Amino acid sequence: EAGVTQFPSHSVIEKGQTVTLRCDPISGHDNLYWYRRVMGKEIKFLLHFVKESKQDESGMPNNRFLAERTGGTYSTLKVQPAELEDSGVYFCASSQVSFGGTGARETQYFGPGTRLLVL
Amino acid sequence: AQSVAQPEDQVNVAEGNPLTVKCTYSVSGNPYLFWYVQYPNRGLQFLLKYITGDNLVKGSYGFEAEFNKSQTSFHLKKPSALVSDSALYFCAVRDIDSWGKLQFGAGTQVVVTP
Repeated sequence: EAGVTQFPSHSVIEKGQTVTLRCDPISGHDNLYWYRRVMGKEIKFLLHFVKESKQDESGMPNNRFLAERTGGTYSTLKVQPAELEDSGVYFCASSQVSFGGTGARETQYFGPGTRLLVL
Repeated sequence: AQSVAQPEDQVNVAEGNPLTVKCTYSVSGNPYLFWYVQYPNRGLQFLLKYITGDNLVKGSYGFEAEFNKSQTSFHLKKPSALVSDSALYFCAVRDIDSWGKLQFGAGTQVVVTP
């Protein structure tokens, strides 16, 4: 079974340009997450889709970031216009959730990440 | 609010020696704890998780982690480190009664020398 895939693996753009990142989750996973790691700091949550709906977008830094998941399959994350501080590694993760006596059981599986450098 | 602390930026260990990577956490309810590893130029790989039950959790590649509720810790351990274990290790947590976003620590770089 294929894992989470992300494209591109690397992107170098100039400040003010637009970049679109793509994530393909594991087949059948309804949950899709975006995270990013900036400047060697901790990995921070950006947003969470359940199928095509945004469940939680509390981590999105500002309105320059737009995430979509049309049809509930792959997702895109667009940064427009890009700023220097947007440089970092953007990770996508997917999961399925089961609910039981011990609460929600979920393991998020991550893709390889997209390394974004804004010059 | 959830938080995770990995107090060591880097851990150095000789091959064959025991390896411990420390993690402490804070959640409002019961914790759901994870360890992930990132090898050079690779993505995050799931190692192991604690939900409930036995405090000692076994995972991939010979790693295990011990949940200690009184000390709010979830340290990752391996009895005998390999050079190939050199990587960046991340601890993560969320409240067991919710689902969704994980709170990650800053990561610990493990360097295993021959």
